[in-house]
Amino acid sequence: EPEVTQTPSHQVTQMGQEVILRCVPISNHLYFYWYRQILGQKVEFLVSFYNNEISEKSEIFDDQFSVERPDGSNFTLKIRSTKLEDSAMYFCASNRQGSYEQYFGPGTRLTVT
Amino acid sequence: GESVGLHLPTLSVQEGDNSIINCAYSNSASDYFIWYKQESGKGPQFIIDIRSNMDKRQGQRVTVLLNKTVKHLSLQIAATQPGDSAVYFCAERVGNEKLTFGTGTRLTIIP
Repeated sequence: EPEVTQTPSHQVTQMGQEVILRCVPISNHLYFYWYRQILGQKVEFLVSFYNNEISEKSEIFDDQFSVERPDGSNFTLKIRSTKLEDSAMYFCASNRQGSYEQYFGPGTRLTVT
Repeated sequence: GESVGLHLPTLSVQEGDNSIINCAYSNSASDYFIWYKQESGKGPQFIIDIRSNMDKRQGQRVTVLLNKTVKHLSLQIAATQPGDSAVYFCAERVGNEKLTFGTGTRLTIIP
């Protein structure tokens, strides 16, 4: 069964450093998302991406965040200058055209020290 | 503001019994609802979904009920098994692509 994959599973970085979180969505999916989950809290929407552009973003997704689909398979989330409060699980999700069901990856745990 | 929330943060059920997890939503414009299961250290896993033009939908051992009058969503799990222990989230979609998640209920199955 096809699945969303994410790398790395755990990323530790120092405050102020840039990080890139990587995702490979399911191959025939056209809508891509990033969500985050701070420990013990609910999953929060960050950004959605369709047709090579951002279709919606939340207030969390400020100028420090960017997304990119550099090739036909990868979907990345970049945080330019990490803050302590960026520590969270980051989930990538995708869904195909005509379906609302979003498939989530296993997540990347980002720890900012 | 609009929100999706859960009545109970924790629920313990004897193995083999049925469980019901509840969710209240406040956005009457929501047109799609979904239940996810999240095990420790993993991403949300799809369980079942329902569109706003339906009241009930059944899957394997799971049933989702939607009451639009009182903006209430529930997930029923029949004949619970130890593997059902997890955190369950409801989420809603409001005409665009993003999902808005509730706070989650931790279900523990007692052997």
